[in-house]
Amino acid sequence: GQQVMQIPQYQHVQEGEDFTTYCNSSTTLSNIQWYKQRPGGHPVFLIQLVKSGEVKKQKRLTFQFGEAKKNSSLHITATQTTDVGTYFCAGRGANQGGKLIFGQGTELSVKP
Amino acid sequence: DAGVIQSPRHEVTEMGQEVTLRCKPISGHNSLFWYRQTMMRGLELLIYFNNNVPIDDSGMPEDRFSAKMPNASFSTLKIQPSEPRDSAVYFCASSLGHATGELFFGEGSRLTVL
Repeated sequence: GQQVMQIPQYQHVQEGEDFTTYCNSSTTLSNIQWYKQRPGGHPVFLIQLVKSGEVKKQKRLTFQFGEAKKNSSLHITATQTTDVGTYFCAGRGANQGGKLIFGQGTELSVKP
Repeated sequence: DAGVIQSPRHEVTEMGQEVTLRCKPISGHNSLFWYRQTMMRGLELLIYFNNNVPIDDSGMPEDRFSAKMPNASFSTLKIQPSEPRDSAVYFCASSLGHATGELFFGEGSRLTVL
């Protein structure tokens, strides 16, 4: 079945450093979404990418969707302590309808 | 507007007992998802509904788990009998749109089975 792999599992950075998490799917995706979960909280939607090669930015966050629509990345520039949490990618396989499969997540900690 | 509402927020029960988790999706949303989150397995999709109809239940662990959506504003996830390995946070999420919508998650139900 469809699998979504995400690396790294953990990332510890100093405040001000950059951070990147990578997501790879075993199958071609129709779209991919990114979510953030704060400790003790629930996942909160960040963005959706649909088009091959798409790049979207939200302030210090940059999201990319690969040309083959099988991989994606999230890059945070100059991390802040408010960026702490777990970042998940979630993909919908082509011809899989609404089934949204989450990656394992990357837990980001930021040292002030 | 109210978000996705789940109850109970916390449940502690003994092995063998029946557990029922409840979810009220956002009004107007036509897709509803049940996820289970554990440290070992991450966020697992258990089942999802579209227009109250179960579309994919391939993630339901075994026959002890069942889910219903009798109407557009209510869903339940039942575990009978519960086992310690069912301990997890169970999230309900809803979306507007079947294959492209963003998911709005509830606060989750933390289940502990002793």
